[in-house]
Amino acid sequence: DGGITQSPKYLFRKEGQNVTLSCEQNLNHDAMYWYRQDPGQGLRLIYYSQIVNDFQKGDIAEGYSVSREKKESFPLTVTSAQKNPTAFYLCASSEGNYNEQFFGPGTRLTVL
Amino acid sequence: GQQLNQSPQSMFIQEGEDVSMNCTSSSIFNTWLWYKQDPGEGPVLLIALYKAGELTSNGRLTAQFGITRKDSFLNISASIPSDVGIYFCAGQDNDMRFGAGTRLTVKP
Repeated sequence: DGGITQSPKYLFRKEGQNVTLSCEQNLNHDAMYWYRQDPGQGLRLIYYSQIVNDFQKGDIAEGYSVSREKKESFPLTVTSAQKNPTAFYLCASSEGNYNEQFFGPGTRLTVL
Repeated sequence: GQQLNQSPQSMFIQEGEDVSMNCTSSSIFNTWLWYKQDPGEGPVLLIALYKAGELTSNGRLTAQFGITRKDSFLNISASIPSDVGIYFCAGQDNDMRFGAGTRLTVKP
């Protein structure tokens, strides 16, 4: 089955630690995205990538980093510089830039 | 960037009732999308609209792309308990923006 997977589903981190969230897709989509979701708010774009080895900052990139070494994979690292990292993180992909986006199941990150 | 105003924020309805929600923007969009999100899961695409004035149905769901290209509407007819969730609109031009969501509760 084609789709997007994110792992882990739940993640706990101590303050001051970096953590990497995984996102993999087998839809052969060129574009991939990372969003942050907070209660009562719309999705906010962290980073996006239109093609392998290229990515762009979104609206709230500070404290985050990404890589796109393979078409199928777009991992997100939440660094210790992110002041308020507790949130629900969603990965998405689309066939072209900002065509219909398909979302993964999300990772809930909690900083203790 | 431009914001989407989605309303209402929440709705509590009786099973069998119809539901309407909408999104408005100060800017025009080329595409409007409607997603549903269950608790703890990722959003699932319900309907995509590509042309001003377009009216599209998906089962009991009907969505419209506003003629001004600045708004969109989603209607759910004869609601059932599994309609519970958060419904998001998204508008796309050079980037994509999301509404804050409408939380729907359906009472049996």
